[in-house]
Amino acid sequence: DAGVIQSPRHEVTEMGQEVTLRCKPISGHNSLFWYRQTMMRGLELLIYFNNNVPIDDSGMPEDRFSAKMPNASFSTLKIQPSEPRDSAVYFCATTGSSTDTQYFGPGTRLTVL
Amino acid sequence: AQSVSQHNHHVILSEAASLELGCNYSYGGTVNLFWYVQYPGQHLQLLLKYFSGDPLVKGIKGFEAEFIKSKFSFNLRKPSVQWSDTAEYFCAVKFSGGYNKLIFGAGTRLAVHP
Repeated sequence: DAGVIQSPRHEVTEMGQEVTLRCKPISGHNSLFWYRQTMMRGLELLIYFNNNVPIDDSGMPEDRFSAKMPNASFSTLKIQPSEPRDSAVYFCATTGSSTDTQYFGPGTRLTVL
Repeated sequence: AQSVSQHNHHVILSEAASLELGCNYSYGGTVNLFWYVQYPGQHLQLLLKYFSGDPLVKGIKGFEAEFIKSKFSFNLRKPSVQWSDTAEYFCAVKFSGGYNKLIFGAGTRLAVHP
């Protein structure tokens, strides 16, 4: 199994631009989580989906952030417009109904200039 | 509120020293417990987990953790650390209900000096 796949691995953009981060979960996993990690705030849960349905988006920092999961094999996290304070590593993690273990992707390191 | 506390934010040890990282959680119901490790520049990887059974759990790379229900604790231990154990360690708890959501502690940064 390829594990959780995230793209891009690195993204550098300018303030005001739209950023789209992508995640492909492990096949068969039905829960997907988006996290943000910074030195200042540590690991934060932004949103999670179960069976493609958003369950809890209370961690999404503001309306500039949105996430979708159109099908079981793909999710996106979008930031529009991006700001320098959005610079962080964004992780996607997934888990299946037969296990509580979350498997993390390699992350996307976002830098907003 | 459901919460997870890691009391040590930074730990510095010399190689061969023993390690114990504390983790406490707030809730008294059924829990699943995890320790994750994040090596510099990498993603979180599962170190060990406890769902039920023997409260002393052995994980990869010589790590172990003990679940003490009466203390709501799940401390991580390693008898002799190596320089390669330098990483950040996260305790995480799945509380009953709540789908598969994990509550993570703030993490403990471990630096092992040769």
